[in-house]
Amino acid sequence: DGGITQSPKYLFRKEGQNVTLSCEQNLNHDAMYWYRQDPGQGLRLIYYSQIVNDFQKGDIAEGYSVSREKKESFPLTVTSAQKNPTAFYLCASSMILGTSVRNEQFFGPGTRLTVL
Amino acid sequence: SQQGEEDPQALSIQEGENATMNCSYKTSINNLQWYRQNSGRGLVHLILIRSNEREKHSGRLRVTLDTSKKSSSLLITASRAADTASYFCATDPNAGGTSYGKLTFGQGTILTVHP
Repeated sequence: DGGITQSPKYLFRKEGQNVTLSCEQNLNHDAMYWYRQDPGQGLRLIYYSQIVNDFQKGDIAEGYSVSREKKESFPLTVTSAQKNPTAFYLCASSMILGTSVRNEQFFGPGTRLTVL
Repeated sequence: SQQGEEDPQALSIQEGENATMNCSYKTSINNLQWYRQNSGRGLVHLILIRSNEREKHSGRLRVTLDTSKKSSSLLITASRAADTASYFCATDPNAGGTSYGKLTFGQGTILTVHP
């Protein structure tokens, strides 16, 4: 049963703590992405990775860190440096086909992070 | 700034009516995609239209693309209560023809279909 999973579904964090959100995919996709969604807003790109051991900053990378040690996994750490981390976090993956324009993204169910 | 901007921000219709959502963008693109998000869930890909296409159909969905106006529309025909969701357009910027897979999402249209 192929797909992309995120855990936990809900996460509570005290101010000053780092937390790590998990994202795993078994779709054999090359690229993975992390987005942040605030209430009533669209998605903003935090980080993305097109290949193992390589990742790029998105539009709002400050206060976040990632790693891509395995093709299947792309965990996101929300550090204490992130000023307003309460949000809905979505992970996605896609197949990169060189110059092909077919690159729809497949999304996980999301993690809702609340800072207490 | 957001590449894609949807219009309207919210749309409320009765079951059986058609729903039309619009998306405008700023730079040239490889393709434009529409996604659906049910409340509190992840996004689901609906349809992709390439920059050299003008219209595409998928079931009750019809997407148009006007690259001269940098705009797209999503039409859902014969809407159902189950179509209630947020709909987002996403653009794949044209970086010399190579797709790097990085999408830019708009802020979405909230569609409510009343039974």
